[in-house]
Amino acid sequence: GENVEQHPSTLSVQEGDSAVIKCTYSDSASNYFPWYKQELGKRPQLIIDIRSNVGEKKDQRIAVTLNKTAKHFSLHITETQPEDSAVYFCAAISNFGNEKLTFGTGTRLTIIP
Amino acid sequence: DGGITQSPKYLFRKEGQNVTLSCEQNLNHDAMYWYRQDPGQGLRLIYYSQIVNDFQKGDIAEGYSVSREKKESFPLTVTSAQKNPTAFYLCASSKRGGGLDNEQFFGPGTRLTVL
Repeated sequence: GENVEQHPSTLSVQEGDSAVIKCTYSDSASNYFPWYKQELGKRPQLIIDIRSNVGEKKDQRIAVTLNKTAKHFSLHITETQPEDSAVYFCAAISNFGNEKLTFGTGTRLTIIP
Repeated sequence: DGGITQSPKYLFRKEGQNVTLSCEQNLNHDAMYWYRQDPGQGLRLIYYSQIVNDFQKGDIAEGYSVSREKKESFPLTVTSAQKNPTAFYLCASSKRGGGLDNEQFFGPGTRLTVL
């Protein structure tokens, strides 16, 4: 089955700086890669996703890049703000037969004012 | 708030007791999922169901059971066979369709504590 590894487990950045979180996956058939943000005590919410037919997707201050050859994808947050502080999870899914997501172990991002 | 609800928010159970967590959605989603979240770990899949009256084991199904008698509902029972049940349980749902829209919407979660 799919195995997703996520790094780093914790990340602290100064407000206004950029943050990068990286994930690798094992199943070359995986073709959908979402990122979820979970604030303390709340439910995970999708912030951005990317499919295997594109290499990069951007939404305002958030971007995701995908390298299918190397089987890794990354989340980039620019001009970080205090409200970006949360736990971020990457995930991967193969659409062949089921919609089962495999999640990374999460990155706790802290924005230092 | 997202169309998927879980109850109760907090649940306390004595060792040896079974307990059932509720999950309901009004998003008309075919697929539903149960995850377990422990501190410092990601979301681990317990069970999932892609259609009514059918469900599959996830990665950590031992000690859990589910049913899917209605499209809107996917209750999870934590049995006494689950050795370490204290955790945060999240339910999610999504459309099916093989690729166009895979977003999973999560419920607010149930925090289960075994006393």
